[in-house]
Amino acid sequence: TQLLEQSPQFLSIQEGENLTVYCNSSSVFSSLQWYRQEPGEGPVLLVTVVTGGEVKKLKRLTFQFGDARKDSSLHITAAQTGDTGLYLCAGGHNAGNMLTFGGGTRLMVKP
Amino acid sequence: DAGITQSPRHKVTETGTPVTLRCHQTENHRYMYWYRQDPGHGLRLIHYSYGVKDTDKGEVSDGYSVSRSKTEDFLLTLESATSSQTSVYFCAISPGRQETQYFGPGTRLLVL
Repeated sequence: TQLLEQSPQFLSIQEGENLTVYCNSSSVFSSLQWYRQEPGEGPVLLVTVVTGGEVKKLKRLTFQFGDARKDSSLHITAAQTGDTGLYLCAGGHNAGNMLTFGGGTRLMVKP
Repeated sequence: DAGITQSPRHKVTETGTPVTLRCHQTENHRYMYWYRQDPGHGLRLIHYSYGVKDTDKGEVSDGYSVSRSKTEDFLLTLESATSSQTSVYFCAISPGRQETQYFGPGTRLLVL
């Protein structure tokens, strides 16, 4: 089983603060996806990274794929209350039909 | 939003009862997945399908079976529900393996 560990599991911050969440594994992934899930809904894709060292930006969110393709990070600048939710990373393997999901980071941004 | 629905959205059942959850898509995507989501465990794959009548087991398949007789429908059956199967169940679809997965709204199942 290829495991993805996310940290921290829980994060509570004030609006306007910056934060970084991490997704780590001992395995190499061919791609890494980040999803956000709001209460009562299914996860929604934010971004996919496929190249080691790749950085993608989505407004205030910056995603990075590690050089060795074993880890990834999500940095949020000037967090807003609308960023509240569960952030999930998911890794894909070249030979596989499925994604491996991490346990998630639950983010709460307080006004 | 991808056209994916789940039914029922909520269900309460008793231990030992068979339960079937339905996932329906209008996107004609090849891949369909069933996950369960529990606190502290994230999303765990139960079964998936890569075509009509083509299915395979996921990480937590014991006690579950699936069927896919049409491209648009993927059924998950709990053969004899147990309290440990109380969870939120999500269906997801994808056009290809490891591509973006689009999730349904979830089914909240309580087994008493």
